[in-house]
Amino acid sequence: GAGVSQSPSNKVTEKGKDVELRCDPISGHTALYWYRQSLGQGLEFLIYFQGNSAPDKSGLPSDRFSAERTGGSVSTLTIQRTQQEDSAVYLCASSPGFEQYFGPGTRLTVT
Amino acid sequence: GDSVTQMEGPVTLSEEAFLTINCTYTATGYPSLFWYVQYPGEGLQLLLKATKADDKGSNKGFEATYRKETTSFHLEKGSVQVSDSAVYFCALSDSGGGADGLTFGKGTHLIIQP
Repeated sequence: GAGVSQSPSNKVTEKGKDVELRCDPISGHTALYWYRQSLGQGLEFLIYFQGNSAPDKSGLPSDRFSAERTGGSVSTLTIQRTQQEDSAVYLCASSPGFEQYFGPGTRLTVT
Repeated sequence: GDSVTQMEGPVTLSEEAFLTINCTYTATGYPSLFWYVQYPGEGLQLLLKATKADDKGSNKGFEATYRKETTSFHLEKGSVQVSDSAVYFCALSDSGGGADGLTFGKGTHLIIQP
């Protein structure tokens, strides 16, 4: 069946612009996760959704980051006023309850 | 807080060699442990898992045993192949994969030479 998909696969943006990253989870998976993978920090957990709600947003790196999930399905991660340190691969994962299945990621480059 | 420590590599081996990638962890609770693999140009894939002490996870010839007394989850394979070249991540979850997300090690780059 279809796995987790993310779009765009690559995004180059200028410093100060806003970007939206999209995640389509596996159908029926109730949990959805966002992670960031960068050379300096490795893999960092950002936020978790159970259904449409995110119980804890403290993992988001700054208040420029926000995320939402609608209809218990698609999620978007929005970064406002991007900075060069936001350059990374953003990974989404979904889960039916325990194991997490990862998408291919969005590579964000801020110039 | 929780943390995972693993050898970063690169680790270079010849085909058919024995592989060990060390992983140790610290956690406040009683975590579940995972190994993920990232092949070149691909996303993270779950390789194996263990949810309680002395559990052995296995898949594709790889094995890892959950050792609570040494807080370790070392990955082993008896005979590696060129196709095993990838980055391997050790990870833990304090909540069985729930609200805390996964805590990852920094990854070990494995290179297998023919």
